[in-house]
Amino acid sequence: SQTIHQWPATLVQPVGSPLSLECTVEGTSNPNLYWYRQAAGRGLQLLFYSVGIGQISSEVPQNLSASRPQDRQFILSSKKLLLSDSGFYLCAWSARDRRIVYGYTFGSGTRLTVV
Amino acid sequence: KQEVTQIPAALSVPEGENLVLNCSFTDSAIYNLQWFRQDPGKGLTSLLLIQSSQREQTSGRLNASLDKSSGRSTLYIAASQPGDSATYLCAVRGDAGGTSYGKLTFGQGTILTVHP
Repeated sequence: SQTIHQWPATLVQPVGSPLSLECTVEGTSNPNLYWYRQAAGRGLQLLFYSVGIGQISSEVPQNLSASRPQDRQFILSSKKLLLSDSGFYLCAWSARDRRIVYGYTFGSGTRLTVV
Repeated sequence: KQEVTQIPAALSVPEGENLVLNCSFTDSAIYNLQWFRQDPGKGLTSLLLIQSSQREQTSGRLNASLDKSSGRSTLYIAASQPGDSATYLCAVRGDAGGTSYGKLTFGQGTILTVHP
């Protein structure tokens, strides 16, 4: 069965420090991968998506970047965190093959607080 | 641009009641619709997935319907329990044509509280 792992679960970082959040998927190959952010009291916003190794698309301009060094690994990074980067970050995957009737599967999330 | 609206924003009911959560979307060109549950501080758990060609899906006490032409979906919860308390999110996946990627657009959610 497919599983998605996301870590760390919580993170408190000072303003200006770097960030690296990691997400890995098991039990599938060639997944589409996504990073979402959920700010307090707001809905889920798609930040990045990837349809293959090294292929990253950004949905909104921001202080963050994403990378996909391996087929089932997706990394969210920042060189210098801002207070506005605080939020709940969720990784998700979906099957690339449209014939596979799966929806999106989400990880357990990372609560990031920038202080 | 797809917009998804969920009504009501919050709902508080006594245990045992049957209830309906509503979701509407502006662009009917969808690939599928997915209902999620989110407990406080946790990730999203998928409840039901309805393909654009389907009318409804059922899982236990949950039933979700889809009327694609009118841009509406409902999540019906039978015999509600305190353990059902959570935020329920509706998400619509756009039909990206020949590509496999279709953006998932979320509603703001309905916060459900079931009290004993």
